[in-house]
Amino acid sequence: NAGVTQTPKFQVLKTGQSMTLQCAQDMNHNSMYWYRQDPGMGLRLIYYSASEGTTDKGEVPNGYNVSRLNKREFSLRLESAAPSQTSVYFCASSELGADNSPLHFGNGTRLTVT
Amino acid sequence: AQSVAQPEDQVNVAEGNPLTVKCTYSVSGNPYLFWYVQYPNRGLQFLLKYITGDNLVKGSYGFEAEFNKSQTSFHLKKPSALVSDSALYFCAVRDMSTGGFKTIFGAGTRLFVKA
Repeated sequence: NAGVTQTPKFQVLKTGQSMTLQCAQDMNHNSMYWYRQDPGMGLRLIYYSASEGTTDKGEVPNGYNVSRLNKREFSLRLESAAPSQTSVYFCASSELGADNSPLHFGNGTRLTVT
Repeated sequence: AQSVAQPEDQVNVAEGNPLTVKCTYSVSGNPYLFWYVQYPNRGLQFLLKYITGDNLVKGSYGFEAEFNKSQTSFHLKKPSALVSDSALYFCAVRDMSTGGFKTIFGAGTRLFVKA
């Protein structure tokens, strides 16, 4: 099993450009998440999808949009990239509402906005 | 509000010595606590969790963690460190006030194990 797969692995954008980060999981998990990781700040939740058909804002949603395409796929879109969005982005999945279920992470997308 | 603190940016230990990575938390209600490890250019991997029960929790790769309610701590430990344990470690708490869908992470502690 691949687990959680993210594409692309690396991306460089110019300010104002747009892009979509793709994420797919093959563990039949109901819940999916997008985090960003910045040095010294841990991981911060951008958006999450508790189940297919629902999405909700996390801690830092400004400048991002998400789409839960189906149970397997959850994409993150930057409509107009800004240098402050330079970060490493992680997608994760877990069982719906299970309080003892850990997060399963992809290997990340390293995004640089110039 | 839920929060997690990892007071040490970095921990250095010699191979074969015991290691401790510290974590304190602040939650309303019962804590749901996790430790994750991150190796270079990889996503986070789950190590262990505390939900309820014994205060000493055993996890992957020989790691364990001690839950202390009075001190609101959840320190990660290993009796004998390996060079391969060198990585970035994150403590996390699940925010059950929002249905459990939000996990709050500490800033991370980098562990260096010297041969």
